[in-house]
Amino acid sequence: GNSVTQMEGPVTLSEEAFLTINCTYTATGYPSLFWYVQYPGEGLQLLLKATKADDKGSNKGFEATYRKETTSFHLEKGSVQVSDSAVYFCALTPQNGNQFYFGTGTSLTVIP
Amino acid sequence: ETGVTQSPTHLIKTRGQQVTLRCSSQSGHNTVSWYQQALGQGPQFIFQYYREEENGRGNFPPRFSGLQFPNYSSELNVNALELDDSALYLCASSFRQGLAGVETQYFGPGTRLLVL
Repeated sequence: GNSVTQMEGPVTLSEEAFLTINCTYTATGYPSLFWYVQYPGEGLQLLLKATKADDKGSNKGFEATYRKETTSFHLEKGSVQVSDSAVYFCALTPQNGNQFYFGTGTSLTVIP
Repeated sequence: ETGVTQSPTHLIKTRGQQVTLRCSSQSGHNTVSWYQQALGQGPQFIFQYYREEENGRGNFPPRFSGLQFPNYSSELNVNALELDDSALYLCASSFRQGLAGVETQYFGPGTRLLVL
């Protein structure tokens, strides 16, 4: 079946620290992979995506590389800001699929 | 902003009642998916509508039903509400071309439902 496992939080970092949130997946074929971010009281916003192996998605200083050999899509940012505090969700949609499968989310708090 | 809107933003119901949630999809999108997000969890797929027909369903009972209208807006109906139905309900719109899979889904802000 299809599933996403992401690192449990909560994660607390100081401003300008390096961020890694691990995400691994199980899927048949070649899924598309996504990171969404959810700010308090809001819906999900697309952060970045990658649709094939070795693709790197990037946005707002965040990056993630689609690694088929390790079935991973880890989220990284070199220098976090207080405004990055949110819950981050890793997700996949199967090739020719019609739904998204989400991880349980990782809460990030960045302190000044 | 994604252009996906949902109404109402908040709702309080009592057990056994029925509720209808509404979603307007982003311009140019023809597919709407609904998700339930319990507190502290990731969203769970309820179902998807494409060309006004249900096109895939997650592990939710038949008392969860939906509609898609010719303008691609959608409704989620839940009958016989239970306490566990309390959650954030998210609508996501996307563009589907024929039998090809759906790519990026764009989410609305959600409707927070509380069942007492």
